[in-house]
Amino acid sequence: GAVVSQHPSWVICKSGTSVKIECRSLDFQATTMFWYRQFPKQSLMLMATSNEGSKATYEQGVEKDKFLINHASLTLSTLTVTSAHPEDSSFYICSARDLFSSGANVLTFGAGSRLTVL
Amino acid sequence: RKEVEQDPGPFNVPEGATVAFNCTYSNSASQSFFWYRQDCRKEPKLLMSVYSSGNEDGRFTAQLNRASQYISLLIRDSKLSDSATYLCVVPRPNNAGNMLTFGGGTRLMVKP
Repeated sequence: GAVVSQHPSWVICKSGTSVKIECRSLDFQATTMFWYRQFPKQSLMLMATSNEGSKATYEQGVEKDKFLINHASLTLSTLTVTSAHPEDSSFYICSARDLFSSGANVLTFGAGSRLTVL
Repeated sequence: RKEVEQDPGPFNVPEGATVAFNCTYSNSASQSFFWYRQDCRKEPKLLMSVYSSGNEDGRFTAQLNRASQYISLLIRDSKLSDSATYLCVVPRPNNAGNMLTFGGGTRLMVKP
């Protein structure tokens, strides 16, 4: 089945630094990927839709200059948390859909990246 | 009303018990629904899809009631390994099923 890889799994950084998280579709091409954020004991909230070759679409309340998304190829989307602060500490999960698989209606999730900002 | 709403639980049940969760959704145009399972500090994984009145897979049964706008998940003969958070997921209508709205999740704890 479709596999989505995320890296890094864990990252700890100092306040004010920027952190880049990568999301790769390993065996399929994804023109669209999705970035979610999950705070402890809460559900996943969609942050933005990453579109290959064009600008990302951000959900209401998500700062596009804070969370930079780049989708430069059909298999890679990156999320950069700029000038991270402790309140950005969260579990970030990406997802993508393999349009040509039998389970094309199903989104596949990456394993997530846990960010801790000190 | 929230787009997708679930009882957060936790549901504490003994092994072998039958347990059911409900999920209500607000948009009557929604056509497909999913139950995902999420273990602690892990990504969600698809458990079941529901496109018509319901779906059954082994010990798991999902049912859809469009009139009342709710989806249920029934787990029979609960196992310790069923302990997890169960997420009700509804794609946004008219979005080709790409963008998902997650319920807050229902936590299940199965005890010996």
